[in-house]
Amino acid sequence: DAKTTQPNSMESNEEEPVHLPCNHSTISGTDYIHWYRQLPSQGPEYVIHGLTSNVNNRMASLAIAEDRKSSTLILHRATLRDAAVYYCIAHGGFKTIFGAGTRLFVKA
Amino acid sequence: NAGVTQTPKFRVLKTGQSMTLLCAQDMNHEYMYWYRQDPGMGLRLIHYSVGEGTTAKGEVPDGYNVSRLKKQNFLLGLESAAPSQTSVYFCASSALYEGWVVIRNYNEQFFGPGTRLTVL
Repeated sequence: DAKTTQPNSMESNEEEPVHLPCNHSTISGTDYIHWYRQLPSQGPEYVIHGLTSNVNNRMASLAIAEDRKSSTLILHRATLRDAAVYYCIAHGGFKTIFGAGTRLFVKA
Repeated sequence: NAGVTQTPKFRVLKTGQSMTLLCAQDMNHEYMYWYRQDPGMGLRLIHYSVGEGTTAKGEVPDGYNVSRLKKQNFLLGLESAAPSQTSVYFCASSALYEGWVVIRNYNEQFFGPGTRLTVL
């Protein structure tokens, strides 16, 4: 599994877009990029995943660099409920290695 | 459909005591996992299972044992609890995706609510 690097924390204003970056320079060609988030006092929950192409779902968008060495999770309009720790994971198997993630603060 | 449930939600142990944490899932998932999360840190994999009757070590297996006698249950045991095992424990499960041995496929994990364990 590839090591990922994320900023420790980020801050956003409510209803503004948020771009959460992740570097995974050692990713292999078959490793998927996953994002999970963990709300306070809860277990992590799946957000989105992708391999090469950009992906959209009801929660977020995932933009993957052409060389796949980095990706960005995009929350189109941050709400107070999006305040959480966001984990970027690059792996190909069923074992998931979580780093420290990015703690997102959302200001009203 | 309850998803992944964990029992108990909270527990306080004295050093040297033993206990078992129970994880149950009703999604017919093949894979199950136990993680621990210490304050301000990400999750670390303790043990995992790829099917009924099989278990394997993760990143931090020392001091823990696991069993997967039934597909829907994954038990985590602490034989002699130590203060260093004070943590929040999360269980997760995921499905087996056809063809994963051919190409590495994605594997969405579903997490339980956690068990907060304190060892005094």
